[in-house]
Amino acid sequence: DQQVKQNSPSLSVQEGRISILNCDYTNSMFDYFLWYKKYPAEGPTFLISISSIKDKNEDGRFTVFLNKSAKHLSLHIVPSQPGDSAVYFCAASGEAGNNRKLIWGLGTSLAVNP
Amino acid sequence: DAGVIQSPRHEVTEMGQEVTLRCKPISGHNSLFWYRQTMMRGLELLIYFNNNVPIDDSGMPEDRFSAKMPNASFSTLKIQPSEPRDSAVYFCASSQGLAGVWWETQYFGPGTRLLVL
Repeated sequence: DQQVKQNSPSLSVQEGRISILNCDYTNSMFDYFLWYKKYPAEGPTFLISISSIKDKNEDGRFTVFLNKSAKHLSLHIVPSQPGDSAVYFCAASGEAGNNRKLIWGLGTSLAVNP
Repeated sequence: DAGVIQSPRHEVTEMGQEVTLRCKPISGHNSLFWYRQTMMRGLELLIYFNNNVPIDDSGMPEDRFSAKMPNASFSTLKIQPSEPRDSAVYFCASSQGLAGVWWETQYFGPGTRLLVL
């Protein structure tokens, strides 16, 4: 059973527009959330994170929003660029005190069209 | 600085053969993670080490899988005997592993694409 769900396997947007990637989770014990980006033939790379004590975190063109009551987070990319085309993974942690285990979604493939 | 290094990048083998995947973490990192990625199940944590000691191996699918970390700069993931359902991309990742810090950025290697025929 997937504890972290990315219900959209793919997303296509025009260059310059906003990309919104969504992630839902089921475990209320999760208290740290991350987004990773993955290009083909490479490993995932860390993009941005948010702690459960916040509802928004921004880093340049990337903003992550967290709605704890809905157990939902989203990643906004504004403006989208062709180089943003990649698979984006949502991950969550916080199941146990010193456990560094991350639970991952299946990913959303983003295509930004010129 | 070199990132996480994995070898081989690609491996094709026949069912029943032993497969050994290798990983060199980033120098100075004390935590090491082995993941498996498949289309159906996404990224799954198989095992992670802290200071060369296995901390959580609950993700290791069965006894055919084993992992070792004999020193801070090297780890292996072994599958013996391999089966077609083991075909996947296997990633190694490392993090600083600071005491008292339960979450840190994980840095991934490029992965090993394994195909078991």
